[in-house]
Amino acid sequence: EAGVAQSPRYKIIEKRQSVAFWCNPISGHATLYWYQQILGQGPKLLIQFQNNGVVDDSQLPKDRFSAERLKGVDSTLKIQPAKLEDSAVYLCASSSYASGKSNTEAFFGQGTRLTVV
Amino acid sequence: GNSVTQMEGPVTLSEEAFLTINCTYTATGYPSLFWYVQYPGEGLQLLLKATKADDKGSNKGFEATYRKETTSFHLEKGSVQVSDSAVYFCALNSGSARQLTFGSGTQLTVLP
Repeated sequence: EAGVAQSPRYKIIEKRQSVAFWCNPISGHATLYWYQQILGQGPKLLIQFQNNGVVDDSQLPKDRFSAERLKGVDSTLKIQPAKLEDSAVYLCASSSYASGKSNTEAFFGQGTRLTVV
Repeated sequence: GNSVTQMEGPVTLSEEAFLTINCTYTATGYPSLFWYVQYPGEGLQLLLKATKADDKGSNKGFEATYRKETTSFHLEKGSVQVSDSAVYFCALNSGSARQLTFGSGTQLTVLP
C-alpha cells in the first residue's frame, strides 16, 4: 500500500515569510497527526485530526501556525510568519485509530525539512 | 503528563557487539510502548511494540520487554550490524486520543 506522502521535502525561507506543507495520508486512515522535530530532539505533536475534526491542537502555536484537513483526507500545515526557531522537520503521520479501537500503528511520512534564515 | 526518557547518545559500537538503549517512561493509565527507527534520509518506522506489562516486542533481532514495575522498555540486540546505524526513538501512547509521546532519540553508529 502507498505510504504517507508529504511535500515539499525541503524548503528554505526567510523569517517573516509564510510557508505551507502538504500531507496525503494512507487511504482510509481516519487519524492524521502533524509533528515538529527539531534537530536533536524527538518529534513533538502539533495537532491531531480525526476525519476532518481537530482532536488536539493544544501544542500548536496558533498565533502563527494553522492546519486544516478539509474533506477528512489531505491536510495542510501553514506557518505565517515564520521565525528562526521554526527550523525543523515537519512530520505527518496517519493511523486507522478511531475512538474505541485500541493500539493501531502510526505510519510516518518522510517529512519536510524547513530552514528559516 | 506523559514523558519518555532515553539514554543519551551518541552510541558507537563495533559490528557484532551487544546493544542496549535504555528507555523509561512516565504515563497515566496503561500506555502502549514503541520503538521507532529513523534511518538517514528516511521517515520514522515502527521497529517493535508492546501493549501490556510483560509483553516482549521483537523485530529484526531487536527486542524490548514492557516492565511496568520499573516503567522501562529497554531496547536490546545481541549482535549489531553496520546497517543498524540509525536514530532510535522510544515512544508511548496513552489516553483516549492515543497520541505518541517520543523520547529525544539515540543515535547509533555501528563500525565495521
